[in-house]
Amino acid sequence: KAGVTQTPRYLIKTRGQQVTLSCSPISGHRSVSWYQQTPGQGLQFLFEYFSETQRNKGNFPGRFSGRQFSNSRSEMNVSTLELGDSALYLCASSVGSGENEKLFFGSGTQLSVL
Amino acid sequence: QKEVEQNSGPLSVPEGAIASLNCTYSDRGSQSFFWYRQYSGKSPELIMSIYSNGDKEDGRFTAQLNKASQYVSLLIRDSQPSDSATYLCAVKIDYKLSFGAGTTVTVRA
Repeated sequence: KAGVTQTPRYLIKTRGQQVTLSCSPISGHRSVSWYQQTPGQGLQFLFEYFSETQRNKGNFPGRFSGRQFSNSRSEMNVSTLELGDSALYLCASSVGSGENEKLFFGSGTQLSVL
Repeated sequence: QKEVEQNSGPLSVPEGAIASLNCTYSDRGSQSFFWYRQYSGKSPELIMSIYSNGDKEDGRFTAQLNKASQYVSLLIRDSQPSDSATYLCAVKIDYKLSFGAGTTVTVRA
């Protein structure tokens, strides 16, 4: 069974540009969440989607947005990039709930903003 | 106050010893609790989940949850060099998963 697939693996952008990251969840997983990981702030929750609906959003500016498609694939967009947006962006898909919930991470997209 | 706090590391233990990791959380409404392991340059992987007060054992790992004290812990018995990694405590509420900063564990052979 294929894992969570994120593309691209690496990305270099300049300030002011925008970027779109893609995530394909494990087959059958309908929940997709996104996280930003930096050495200083650790892993921070960006948003979570289920059946194309955003169910929660972290404390990030409106420049960060996402969406989920009917096939559960998800995209994340960051507009007007800033140097501080340089980070590893992780997508995770999950199945089950409560103690039975299992969340699996993709390999991430390493974004560098110059 | 941070939503999830972990005991600061790094933690160095000899091979075969018990590694003890602690985590506290601020929101009493937190619903599910998780421990993830992250090797350098890799993505986090789930080790244990715990939902109810008490202990939950899985192989060499034991998670303990005390909701009254808002405390979660992870014990790694018979530590092996392959257990050397950063361990992340995560707490879930309303579809949001909040992570602690992580504790780096080094198992000395």
